[in-house]
Amino acid sequence: AQRVTQPEKLLSVFKGAPVELKCNYSYSGSPELFWYVQYSRQRLQLLLRHISRESIKGFTADLNKGETSFHLKKPFAQEEDSAMYYCAHQTGANNLFFGTGTRLTVIP
Amino acid sequence: DVKVTQSSRYLVKRTGEKVFLECVQDMDHENMFWYRQDPGLGLRLIYFSYDVKMKEKGDIPEGYSVSREKKERFSLILESASTNQTSMYLCASSAHLGTGGDEQYFGPGTRLTVT
Repeated sequence: AQRVTQPEKLLSVFKGAPVELKCNYSYSGSPELFWYVQYSRQRLQLLLRHISRESIKGFTADLNKGETSFHLKKPFAQEEDSAMYYCAHQTGANNLFFGTGTRLTVIP
Repeated sequence: DVKVTQSSRYLVKRTGEKVFLECVQDMDHENMFWYRQDPGLGLRLIYFSYDVKMKEKGDIPEGYSVSREKKERFSLILESASTNQTSMYLCASSAHLGTGGDEQYFGPGTRLTVT
């Protein structure tokens, strides 16, 4: 069964510090991976997907097939990055399997 | 700009009541989904539909049913609400674009409380 693991429920970093939100997946095929974000009082929205290989709001995520990881990184955290972050894996049937989420708090 | 709307932001129902949650999307998306979001459990898929009148069970379909009579509308039905169905319910839609995965667009959510 496909699984997405986010080991940290809560993560706090100081403004300007690097941040890494961990995500590991279990899937033997070619994964299609996403990071979704939910800011306070806003709807859940796509942050980035692995296939686009782009940086969004300063965040990047690299797929590491050897470690089956898709960690989200940002070199300098900002206060507006405080949010709930979900890693998700899509199967061929259009299903998204979400992790349990990590709440990031950036301390001023 | 994709719009996914849900009929209610907050809903309070009594145990045993039949509950309807409605979701409408305006982007002609084939796929629609219902999730529940619970702290510490993330999002869990209840049902999804990839076409009108088609439905597939997700991870936690027990106690729920769905209806998709029109492409733009996907309804979640709680036949007999129970307190353990108190949760935030999220609707989403997506177009199937092929490889690379499909972005899902989410509604604002309905917070359901069953007393």
